[in-house]
Amino acid sequence: KNEVEQSPQNLTAQEGEFITINCSYSVGISALHWLQQHPGGGIVSLFMLSSGKKKHGRLIATINIQEKHSSLHITASHPRDSAVYICALGGSNYKLTFGKGTLLTVNP
Amino acid sequence: DVKVTQSSRYLVKRTGEKVFLECVQDMDHENMFWYRQDPGLGLRLIYFSYDVKMKEKGDIPEGYSVSREKKERFSLILESASTNQTSMYLCASGQGAPNEQYFGPGTRLTVT
Repeated sequence: KNEVEQSPQNLTAQEGEFITINCSYSVGISALHWLQQHPGGGIVSLFMLSSGKKKHGRLIATINIQEKHSSLHITASHPRDSAVYICALGGSNYKLTFGKGTLLTVNP
Repeated sequence: DVKVTQSSRYLVKRTGEKVFLECVQDMDHENMFWYRQDPGLGLRLIYFSYDVKMKEKGDIPEGYSVSREKKERFSLILESASTNQTSMYLCASGQGAPNEQYFGPGTRLTVT
């Protein structure tokens, strides 16, 4: 079993819809990261969180440490949000463990 | 803004060639990483370095080596490129643990 599982693998939405991407994990962590990768582009860190909730613009990330689960929400989605979203686990060392990513397509 | 740059965006090499991929960061970060990214497999760690001249193997180090002679520069070396090393290679840097990692734009390497 993978240490980190993301769902769904693929998600298609209409512009304006509320989007949720989920990340479940099975190991203890120090922090959980959400990353964004546009087609052909590099990877950008969106959030690093160890408890509760963080918000940046239309993006919200939550984490429940007891349930080992995190969600990334996008409100009022836009075609420019189309990207791969990656969940990554941070432990006590320098390394990250990555999920396989969720491909989001937002149609106009 | 943190900037991580990689020497090439696209590279085509022949089987058996020695390949150098270079990564430079401008934020004085101690930690630097090399990953490869393949469809269906996600990001996998090849090597990382936590200080100058210090390195540790990641999950898939076979066929690769690294060099870190200066803090800002981390090189990935394919001693004898093979077709199964065709991939997207991403460099990242960060500070502390757990650390937010800053990624370069990636190098798409094709080995023919």
